[in-house]
Amino acid sequence: DAMVIQNPRYQVTQFGKPVTLSCSQTLNHNVMYWYQQKSSQAPKLLFHYYDKDFNNEADTPDNFQSRRPNTSFCFLDIRSPGLGDAAMYLCATSRLTGWNQPQHFGDGTRLSIL
Amino acid sequence: GENVEQHPSTLSVQEGDSAVIKCTYSDSASNYFPWYKQELGKGPQLIIDIRSNVGEKKDQRIAVTLNKTAKHFSLHITETQPEDSAVYFCAASISGGSNYKLTFGKGTLLTVNP
Repeated sequence: DAMVIQNPRYQVTQFGKPVTLSCSQTLNHNVMYWYQQKSSQAPKLLFHYYDKDFNNEADTPDNFQSRRPNTSFCFLDIRSPGLGDAAMYLCATSRLTGWNQPQHFGDGTRLSIL
Repeated sequence: GENVEQHPSTLSVQEGDSAVIKCTYSDSASNYFPWYKQELGKGPQLIIDIRSNVGEKKDQRIAVTLNKTAKHFSLHITETQPEDSAVYFCAASISGGSNYKLTFGKGTLLTVNP
């Protein structure tokens, strides 16, 4: 089945140690999004790629970076994780931006910081 | 920017009863309103969406209504079942150009008691 796959499902890292989360999609969608979701809160958009064009949200910390080497894969890099970065990180895709295109989410990676 | 308010934050119903979750939005230009269901440990799953050119949409036990004048939309679940228990998020977005961003409500924890 076509889907959005996130690996790993659970990630533990140390304070200040860089970590990379990955997302792949078989939907061949143009757009890939990264969200941060903290406990009992709504998902918060960090940034998205429309094809190769990167779009950062104004309030996304510089600590968070992203790479999209090809259509299928997108990575979230956290350069120096702090305790406040512990959260669920969700990847989503949509076929096009705007014009009411549904976003399809993966099951997320839960990141813990020691 | 857009602001979406969602009520109630928690909702408990008996199996077989109906559940209604309500959302209001602030930007009259919003024209796409999806609803997501998020089960514990999983990503949000799109369950139904509505566009501003219709007032109501139904899919089996789930329906969504939209009142553009009042700027509110609601999710109706009939004949609730224990497997409907989850967190439900409403969202709103504006189509066109580079506008793509979903603004989420804070979520409603629905518990269906057997």
